[in-house]
Parts: sequence; structure tokens; C-alpha cells
Amino acid sequence: NAGVTQTPKFQVLKTGQSMTLQCAQDMNHNSMYWYRQDPGMGLRLIYYSASEGTTDKGEVPNGYNVSRLNKREFSLRLESAAPSQTSVYFCASTSGQGLNSPLHFGNGTRLTVT
Amino acid sequence: EDQVTQSPEALRLQEGESSSLNCSYTVSGLRGLFWYRQDPGKGPEFLFTLYSAGEEKEKERLKATLTKKESFLHITAPKPEDSATYLCAVQGGSNYQLIWGAGTKLIIKP
Repeated sequence: NAGVTQTPKFQVLKTGQSMTLQCAQDMNHNSMYWYRQDPGMGLRLIYYSASEGTTDKGEVPNGYNVSRLNKREFSLRLESAAPSQTSVYFCASTSGQGLNSPLHFGNGTRLTVT
Repeated sequence: EDQVTQSPEALRLQEGESSSLNCSYTVSGLRGLFWYRQDPGKGPEFLFTLYSAGEEKEKERLKATLTKKESFLHITAPKPEDSATYLCAVQGGSNYQLIWGAGTKLIIKP
């Protein structure tokens, strides 16, 4: 089993360019999440999808959009990249929202915006 | 405001030297506290969930404990392969979303 797969692994963008980060999970999980990780800070939630067909904003949604394409796939789009969006982006999934459903993470996309 | 603080930011130990990592939190109505391990270039990997004060969980050389204000991750006789960043997160109140600490980077020297 691959678990949670993220593509690409690395990306460099110029300010104003757009891109989509892809995430797919093969564990039949209902909920999927996008986080960003910055040095010296905890993981911050950008958007999440509690189930197929639903998406909700997290702590830091500005400048991002998401699409829950189907149960397996959850993409994150940057419409006009800014240097402040330089970060490591992690996708995660879980079978539910409760305490007995730990998050399973992908290995991240390292994005640099110049 | 809900908050999670981990200390120290970094900890260097000799192989076999036991120590503890701290995760202090302020949250209204703790539902659960989670520990994850993160290796360089990888995503976090789940270790433990603690639900109430007094609870303890163990896995190999790691033991996690919980009080009403903080959690400790005790590492006994660590090995170099225990080197990683350890992340703590809490879930509180009616919000299912996790609040994460910045992590403690643990380095075990052979």
C-alpha cells in the first residue's frame, strides 16, 4: 500500500504563477486535509474535506483553493503564488474525525516562491 | 486562545542517556493529546493518543504521560535511530481540528 501520495515533491514558482498540488490516498479514508509547515511553527490547517463532496476552511485558507475530486483525491491550488506561500505542504487523511482516527501523512511538497 | 508549546526546541543526547520532552497546552475541554514522530523529508507518523490525565502509553523506548496541563514523552536508553522531530498536538472542545506544537528535534549521538 502506498498510503498517502503527494506530487510533486519539489516545486519552484515565480510570484504570480499558479500551480496545483496533488494528493491521493489508497486507504479508503473519508477525511482529507492540507497542512503547511513552516520553521519554528506548528502545522497549520489550510483546508479539509470531512467527506467526499464537502470542503471547509481551516486556520489559514487565504490564497488557496481545494477540490475533493473523489474519495481518493484532494488537490490544493495556488492561483497566484506569493513568497509568503513558501513552505512545506502536507496532505493527510483519516478514516473519521474522532479521537481514534490518527492522521496518515504524505511526504510533503516543498514549495519555494521567488 | 488554545495553544501548544513544546520544549526544548532541540535536545542532544548520548546513546543510552534517558530524558524527557515536554508538551504544555492550554485548551478548553481536552478531548485528546497526540504524539507524532517526523523524520527529515518525511511526513509525521502517529505514535500515541492520550485521553485523560494520569494515562500512560508505551512503545519500545518511548513512554507518553499526561497531566491536566502537560504531556511528557520519556525516552529510555535512546538509540541513534530514535533521532527525529517529535510533534505534539491537542484536540479540544467542539472543534475536531488539531492544534500543533512546533516540535522538539531530538538528536541521539552514538
